[in-house]
Amino acid sequence: AQKVTQAQTEISVVEKEDVTLDCVYETRDTTYYLFWYKQPPSGELVFLIRRNSFDEQNEISGRYSWNFQKSTSSFNFTITASQVVDSAVYFCALGGGYQKVTFGIGTKLQVIP
Amino acid sequence: GAGVSQTPSNKVTEKGKYVELRCDPISGHTALYWYRQSLGQGPEFLIYFQGTGAADDSGLPNDRFFAVRPEGSVSTLKIQRTERGDSAVYLCASSPQAGVLREQFFGPGTRLTVL
Repeated sequence: AQKVTQAQTEISVVEKEDVTLDCVYETRDTTYYLFWYKQPPSGELVFLIRRNSFDEQNEISGRYSWNFQKSTSSFNFTITASQVVDSAVYFCALGGGYQKVTFGIGTKLQVIP
Repeated sequence: GAGVSQTPSNKVTEKGKYVELRCDPISGHTALYWYRQSLGQGPEFLIYFQGTGAADDSGLPNDRFFAVRPEGSVSTLKIQRTERGDSAVYLCASSPQAGVLREQFFGPGTRLTVL
């Protein structure tokens, strides 16, 4: 069985602060994929990143960065210098050898101007 | 290009009625997924289509739920004898390549309310 835990249900930060969203996963698959999606107030989920289990390199994309550590089964997401437009619900998701994807409960991020 | 579209955007029905929810995936995307999202929760997997066939329907909650994709493009999620517990946002997503788990492109969802 697959499981994704996002322990932080809500986070508030002041604009320009850095913030890290935690994601811990459980799977028995040796090959699996991890994802982050953003769901802004408008409601539509937007893909941010995909990582496979064999690639533990950290990734940076602009103000976004991701830290994948198999040893701790974590795939954390950091936003540097947060902006009001970053306010949204962020979902971590896990998929295994089959196509079923398991989403976490989400972390609601509020960036206060 | 056009994204994933879903119709209707809102559906209000009475307990016991039958409903159909439609999904138009991105053109050329062979993989199609249905999810259900309740308030304050993440999307919950329902079914995955690889082309015309349902490759994984393990998330369908019971036999009142059924989905089809007869020509490998548009998909319809059908719910019989609706119950109040079926109220949720139903999301459709498509992906460019079946068989390999890739990023999914989500539609805006259909909000189903069962009175």
